[in-house]
Order: sequence, then C-alpha cells, then structure tokens
Amino acid sequence: AQSVTQLDSHVSVSEGTPVLLRCNYSSSYSPSLFWYVQHPNKGLQLLLKYTSAATLVKGINGFEAEFKKSETSFHLTKPSAHMSDAAEYFCVVSVMYSGGGADGLTFGKGTHLIIQP
Amino acid sequence: GAVVSQHPSWVICKSGTSVKIECRSLDFQATTMFWYRQFPKQSLMLMATSNEGSKATYEQGVEKDKFLINHASLTLSTLTVTSAHPEDSSFYICSARDPRTNLGYTFGSGTRLTVV
Repeated sequence: AQSVTQLDSHVSVSEGTPVLLRCNYSSSYSPSLFWYVQHPNKGLQLLLKYTSAATLVKGINGFEAEFKKSETSFHLTKPSAHMSDAAEYFCVVSVMYSGGGADGLTFGKGTHLIIQP
Repeated sequence: GAVVSQHPSWVICKSGTSVKIECRSLDFQATTMFWYRQFPKQSLMLMATSNEGSKATYEQGVEKDKFLINHASLTLSTLTVTSAHPEDSSFYICSARDPRTNLGYTFGSGTRLTVV
C-alpha cells in the first residue's frame, strides 16, 4: 500500500521569505511523486513531478522539490514567497490499482500555505 | 495544454434524486479517467477508475450501484449519484491523463454537490 503524509496542515510565512512544505511517502516500489497546487475555486494544477530521473526537480513559479529515498521525503521549497503563492498544496504519489489497467494517485491531506504581507 | 472540463461546477439537489456529473477531455482522448471525492478539510480520495468502453473499477468501500460511472466515448465520462442523501454532499473531481505527456494528469475544476 502507498501513503503520503504532509506533515503540516498549515504553513505561514512572510512575503519574500523561503517556503518549505514537507511531504513523506511510503511505497512498495519506486514511486512517481507530484506536487499539485489548488487555488480557491480552481482545479488542481501540477507544480512539478518526480519520475526517477534527477532527484532535484524544478517546477513552475520558482518551486522545486528534492526526492530523498533514504528519508522517503519529497519536500517542496521556494526561495522567496509571493502573495500569489497562497493556496492549498497537495503531495501525491502515483500508485497502481489492481484490475484498473491504469495508475491512479494517492493524495496527501494538503498544506494550506498562508503568505503574510 | 490539456484541458478537462467538468460540469456542473455546483449543484443542489433534493434527497432521493439523482445527479449526473460530466467530465470531458477537450483536446485529447482519454481512455482512462479518474473520479475523486473530497470531504471538507480532507484529501481527495479515489473513487473509481473509468475505462472507455468497459466497466469502471471501483475502490474498496465505494458503492458501484450508488455511484454509476459511464465512459461511453474517449472524451466523456459521467458520474451519476443515484438516490442522493445528505451524506453524499461533497466535492467531486475528475482527472484524466493526457497520453501526449509523461504521467501528466489534468483535473477538472470539480463539482460541489449539496444534497438537502
């Protein structure tokens, strides 16, 4: 079974300071990992993905994440927060569901990022 | 880029009635679509995998007779909540994988269902 744990339900940072959103996963095989962002009243948007290539993954809007197998972590970071980054962030692991013939996704519970002016 | 259109974005229905939610891939063909449900302050939970031209695969604990899924074409999957009850009130969201990208999932904007 696969699982994803987002360690913080809420993170608050000041504009211009670094952002760290933590994610740990468990998987019985080499996972594919994703970070999605969801702004209010909008659909999920893919920020970045790890698919067994480079362990440091760069995404959109200045975000990046590092896959650390020894720590089973995939933390999301950004050097300098912007007000527009305020949203819900989901860490996701790709899983294979038996009988489905296609893979699906297991989501973390989400981290609400608050940006203080 | 790949676009998934989900309709309606919100719906209010009376208890005991049925509601249909549509999920369309607008600029790509999706042989597989996924239906998720999100309870307030919780993460999305996969309900079922919708396969074009065959029966959907439901996750454990999801009532297939209550949540009817039809994937009649490569661009349309529908989720029908039958005999809805207040406990079915939730946010439902679909997603599809664009075969032109590597593991790229595109999500609909979601449907907020309220059963009164």
